[in-house]
Amino acid sequence: DGGITQSPKYLFRKEGQNVTLSCEQNLNHDAMYWYRQDPGQGLRLIYYSQIVNDFQKGDIAEGYSVSREKKESFPLTVTSAQKNPTAFYLCASSPRQGRHPFFGQGTRLTVV
Amino acid sequence: GENVEQHPSTLSVQEGDSAVIKCTYSDSASNYFPWYKQELGKGPQLIIDIRSNVGEKKDQRIAVTLNKTAKHFSLHITETQPEDSAVYFCAASQINTGTASKLTFGTGTRLQVTL
Repeated sequence: DGGITQSPKYLFRKEGQNVTLSCEQNLNHDAMYWYRQDPGQGLRLIYYSQIVNDFQKGDIAEGYSVSREKKESFPLTVTSAQKNPTAFYLCASSPRQGRHPFFGQGTRLTVV
Repeated sequence: GENVEQHPSTLSVQEGDSAVIKCTYSDSASNYFPWYKQELGKGPQLIIDIRSNVGEKKDQRIAVTLNKTAKHFSLHITETQPEDSAVYFCAASQINTGTASKLTFGTGTRLQVTL
């Protein structure tokens, strides 16, 4: 089946530790995105990538890092510098032909 | 940058009634307006979208209207069913061929359809 796979679905980490969230897509999409969702708020863009080896900051990039070494993969690292890392993280992808993003099922990160 | 406001934040309707969710946007350059449905613990799924060259679009029980002059767009769900219960998000973007589709989202509307 074609789609976007985020893993794991639930992730727990201790404060001060870096953690990497996985996102893989087999849709042959060029663009990939990371969004953060907090209760009662909309989705906010963290980082996006239009092509392999290229990525840009979104609206709330501080405390996060990404890489895009392969077209299929766009991992997100939540660093210890992110002050409020507990959230629901959503990965998405889209073709470059101006189509809407397709979302994965999300990873719920809890930092204790 | 773009700012999208969405109302109401919660909406309760009886099964069979209609539901309307409204959004406004600030950037007149935005030309693409998707609506997503998100069920509990899942990622959002596109249910309908509209481009700025169209004033209205309908897909079975769901319709979206766009008023470019007033910079607002609305989602209309008719004959609501319990499975329509979810959180709905509107979004706005400048969508161009060859560029990433960076969406700015509204804050969501929790729709509850009661029997």
